[in-house]
Amino acid sequence: RKEVEQDPGPFNVPEGATVAFNCTYSNSASQSFFWYRQDCRKEPKLLMSVYSSGNEDGRFTAQLNRASQYISLLIRDSKLSDSATYLCVLDNTDKLIFGTGTRLQVFP
Amino acid sequence: ETGVTQTPRHLVMGMTNKKSLKCEQHLGHNAMYWYKQSAKKPLELMFVYSLEERVENNSVPSRFSPECPNSSHLFLHLHTLQPEDSALYLCASSQDRGGATEKLFFGSGTQLSVL
Repeated sequence: RKEVEQDPGPFNVPEGATVAFNCTYSNSASQSFFWYRQDCRKEPKLLMSVYSSGNEDGRFTAQLNRASQYISLLIRDSKLSDSATYLCVLDNTDKLIFGTGTRLQVFP
Repeated sequence: ETGVTQTPRHLVMGMTNKKSLKCEQHLGHNAMYWYKQSAKKPLELMFVYSLEERVENNSVPSRFSPECPNSSHLFLHLHTLQPEDSALYLCASSQDRGGATEKLFFGSGTQLSVL
């Protein structure tokens, strides 16, 4: 089983839609979880950390399910500018492990 | 001025060439990293420097040679590369190498093509 697994997509959604991505992980000892956003041909940028209690930042909500070993990212009221690849990132011992990303395409 | 700057943005080189990638961070961070991102693959950690000392080398071939002259600058020297080394090379920094909780700030990357 891969350390981090994501559905590569693409997820094609209309503006205003709600979309959710999941990311599963294999190392139950992982403690830190993040979502990064990467635009086409650009560098990844931290979108948000994922806490055990879940966290929300505007239209974005991230949640952690330790029992089932997955994290999720929910985007409400999608904007065209949300089109990007979303990378799931978590720790493995003392380094970060990146998923391959889920591509989101928001259309008018 | 962006936090982490990388040059060049694009590089095309032959297998016999020698070139260097440069990274500079203006964030006062103590840790710097080189990552490789190939198409449809996750980011792979190549090297980690903390306070100018290499602390991790993830079994990277010797044709990649990092150099960290000070905490603000990081180089990746390339020689006799192979076509499969073509990828996006990303530099990153973090405040400290405090484990996986450190947030990474990436440069814009160098898109490398080896012919």
